[in-house]
Amino acid sequence: EPEVTQTPSHQVTQMGQEVILRCVPISNHLYFYWYRQILGQKVEFLVSFYNNEISEKSEIFDDQFSVERPDGSNFTLKIRSTKLEDSAMYFCASSLKRNSGYTFGSGTRLTVV
Amino acid sequence: DQQVKQNSPSLSVQEGRISILNCDYTNSMFDYFLWYKKYPAEGPTFLISISSIKDKNEDGRFTVFLNKSAKHLSLHIVPSQPGDFAVYFCAAYAANTGNQFYFGTGTSLTVIP
Repeated sequence: EPEVTQTPSHQVTQMGQEVILRCVPISNHLYFYWYRQILGQKVEFLVSFYNNEISEKSEIFDDQFSVERPDGSNFTLKIRSTKLEDSAMYFCASSLKRNSGYTFGSGTRLTVV
Repeated sequence: DQQVKQNSPSLSVQEGRISILNCDYTNSMFDYFLWYKKYPAEGPTFLISISSIKDKNEDGRFTVFLNKSAKHLSLHIVPSQPGDFAVYFCAAYAANTGNQFYFGTGTSLTVIP
């Protein structure tokens, strides 16, 4: 069965550095999402993406964050200048229809030191 | 390969009756299982979990059953309420895979008044 692939599984970066988290959604899916879970806290919605633009975003998704679908297969989350509080598990998901039939990736653990 | 599967994309239940959501997994190394509830444009909210050393965990209206030999878990909601209308995800985790969560594709629950 098709799956959503996230790379790397674990990323360590220095505070202030830029980081790009990569996701390969399921090929015929049209909606793409990023979530994060800070250790011990709930999973938080960051952003959804459709038709090459952001369709919804949360308050967390400020100017430090951006998303891109550079080549029709990858879906990336960029954090421009990482802060310690950006350390979290980041999940990518995709779906064929809006807000239904999600497939989640297995996550990228980002550690900012 | 989809390691966690929810074969029913949707379920409708009469208010006051029992809702049973099912989840199957393939990886026998999974040792921790979780159920999440999700509303549109929000991140999944943790509901209940169970470790592989147990076969049942109960929290109020929610009970999770784990059948390790069948690699199957289920979430029972009794009694079902209109506010239970959401998408429910099961997720699995193996301690030796570096905190990688594997999510099912979700089951959309509708509770009919």
